[in-house]
Amino acid sequence: GIQVEQSPPDLILQEGANSTLRCNFSDSVNNLQWFHQNPWGQLINLFYIPSGTKQNGRLSATTVATERYSLLYISSSQTTDSGVYFCAVASKLIFGTGTRLQVFP
Amino acid sequence: EAQVTQNPRYLITVTGKKLTVTCSQNMNHEYMSWYRQDPGLGLRQIYYSMNVEVTDKGDVPEGYKVSRKEKRNFPLILESPSPNQTSLYFCASRGLAGRSYEQYFGPGTRLTVT
Repeated sequence: GIQVEQSPPDLILQEGANSTLRCNFSDSVNNLQWFHQNPWGQLINLFYIPSGTKQNGRLSATTVATERYSLLYISSSQTTDSGVYFCAVASKLIFGTGTRLQVFP
Repeated sequence: EAQVTQNPRYLITVTGKKLTVTCSQNMNHEYMSWYRQDPGLGLRQIYYSMNVEVTDKGDVPEGYKVSRKEKRNFPLILESPSPNQTSLYFCASRGLAGRSYEQYFGPGTRLTVT
């Protein structure tokens, strides 16, 4: 089956810093989504991005489907950005292991 | 507001006592699915449904049942819960392929089986 790897596994930032999270996948996919799991456990949709680039406020994402990776950029991080970020691929959603982000004031 | 709802949000029960977790979506989505999330194992699909009366197993279906009698509802049934089913459960839905594969998740149900 498709393997999904995320890096880094953990990230600690000070408020205001920028970061890049990476998602590699082992086969062609027709779907890629980025989620934020907040400290209360809820999964928040960030981007549906099977290819190309999208931006939403301080967050943006790029998927290069031919090279089988996606990047999530967080600029000017805030404490509310803390949590776990997942990418998930394919129609049945195969999840990566996540990147745990902690932002300190 | 477009959403997926789940009930209950929190549940503590005992081994062997049948329970149902309800899931409902108001987006007229054909596809619905259930996932469980466990530390170190991530999120894994339990069951999915492509449409009314069409269900199929995901990666970890043992110990679970589902039904899809109406398009908006997709309940998860644990007929004889065991402690290894203690987990965080999510319901999700999306439209059919050709429009978008984007899935929307419910708020989660935290289940503890003692």
